[in-house]
Amino acid sequence: DAKTTQPNSMESNEEEPVHLPCNHSTISGTDYIHWYRQLPSQGPEYVIHGLTSNVNNRMASLAIAEDRKSSTLILHRATLRDAAVYYCILRDGLTSYDKVIFGPGTSLSVIP
Amino acid sequence: NAGVMQNPRHLVRRRGQEARLRCSPMKGHSHVYWYRQLPEEGLKFMVYLQKENIIDESGMPKERFSAEFPKEGPSILRIQQVVRGDSAAYFCASSPGGRHNPWGEKLFFGSGTQLSVL
Repeated sequence: DAKTTQPNSMESNEEEPVHLPCNHSTISGTDYIHWYRQLPSQGPEYVIHGLTSNVNNRMASLAIAEDRKSSTLILHRATLRDAAVYYCILRDGLTSYDKVIFGPGTSLSVIP
Repeated sequence: NAGVMQNPRHLVRRRGQEARLRCSPMKGHSHVYWYRQLPEEGLKFMVYLQKENIIDESGMPKERFSAEFPKEGPSILRIQQVVRGDSAAYFCASSPGGRHNPWGEKLFFGSGTQLSVL
């Protein structure tokens, strides 16, 4: 059911930038790209979202391809606390009634 | 403003018993989602509810599982006659609902209920 594809796992060294890719080739014009992450033994938490333009917040940056068929979540300096599963999902901006489907996500390991 | 509250945090049941999982959404939120997560697996959508209505229950098993979100009180996920395969973490999320957030609303998740069936 997931409309996005992500690598199963990635590794990063601590204090280095991390680029987490997501493909969403069937994205529609009204779909927003959302990212969540799930730390071990916790519920998921919102990270960032965007539509067309790149977005920055205190947690991360989101780079969206010009054709919107892919996006990249950027963690500027990975810390051990960033080790988590990262989920890229699409939310329809036209409706308040879309069920939210999560794919398997990318499991990020951060190496000290 | 308290976050999404789920209780109990851990629930142990014997096969054949009933399990009731509670979710209190954030204040002002009228939409609730339930997800199940098996060990080493991703989040599986179960059901999406608005106050007093089930919007989408396409992820719910047809038997033994039910969910409600009454006008007053928490949302309840009920599992009757539990089996070992029901052992999982169950997460609830809430969102404000309505069309005042057209960009697709953020979901706010609880810490989950870990159900263990002996």
